[in-house]
Amino acid sequence: QSALTQPPSASGSPGQSVTISCTGTSSDVGGYNYVSWYQQHPGKAPKLMIYEVSKRPSGVPDRFSGSKSDSTASLTVSGLQTEDEADYYCSSYAGSNNVVFGGGTELTVL
Amino acid sequence: QLQLQESVPGLVKPSETLSLTCTVSGGSISSSTYYWGWIRQPPGKGLEWIGSLFYDGRTYYNPSLKSRVTISVDTSKTQFSLKLRSVIAADTAVYYCARHSTVTSFIFDPWGPGTLVTVSS
Repeated sequence: QSALTQPPSASGSPGQSVTISCTGTSSDVGGYNYVSWYQQHPGKAPKLMIYEVSKRPSGVPDRFSGSKSDSTASLTVSGLQTEDEADYYCSSYAGSNNVVFGGGTELTVL
Repeated sequence: QLQLQESVPGLVKPSETLSLTCTVSGGSISSSTYYWGWIRQPPGKGLEWIGSLFYDGRTYYNPSLKSRVTISVDTSKTQFSLKLRSVIAADTAVYYCARHSTVTSFIFDPWGPGTLVTVSS
């Protein structure tokens, strides 16, 4: 199983929207609606932001949204805030009780 | 509130066995609702799932690590453990434990703070 493909970096100004992609195959992202997104600040553990493609856990701002088209999932952060600056990782079920993560995207708020 | 905390082994020599324990507080490993997993992150790199455990002892491993990994639960049901055999420098990483939903949706939440394990002679 290969890691999911994410752009290494993304950026936006405060108040703007930014979308981060996560590309897989029909064996993972394209085959299941089990994509999650995690936010990780430097030196901290990842935090769940989105699960099952587009669901938000309690406490996550509605500025964060997820979607999927074919084998590419996306995380959109609207109304960017400085505290959104972090690394973001996607994950997907990959069949046979396995999960695969993306390589991560560093989001910079300009 | 459920909290997880990894033990701190620090330094492991090449070819030896890495041993970690995750202590669960504010909840029980015996819950039939959740699984308990290990994920690692090499310095400056992405996340990699190592494997997971169900309270009844069933285990699930990343195929790329399966031959070297054992995850188990202790009899107190307040801790679960990771053993990674024959370690090499590439096993140097921050190791996290986390609770997750099913072994399909794999929703990892919450996570422990992580512990850095360095493989070096």
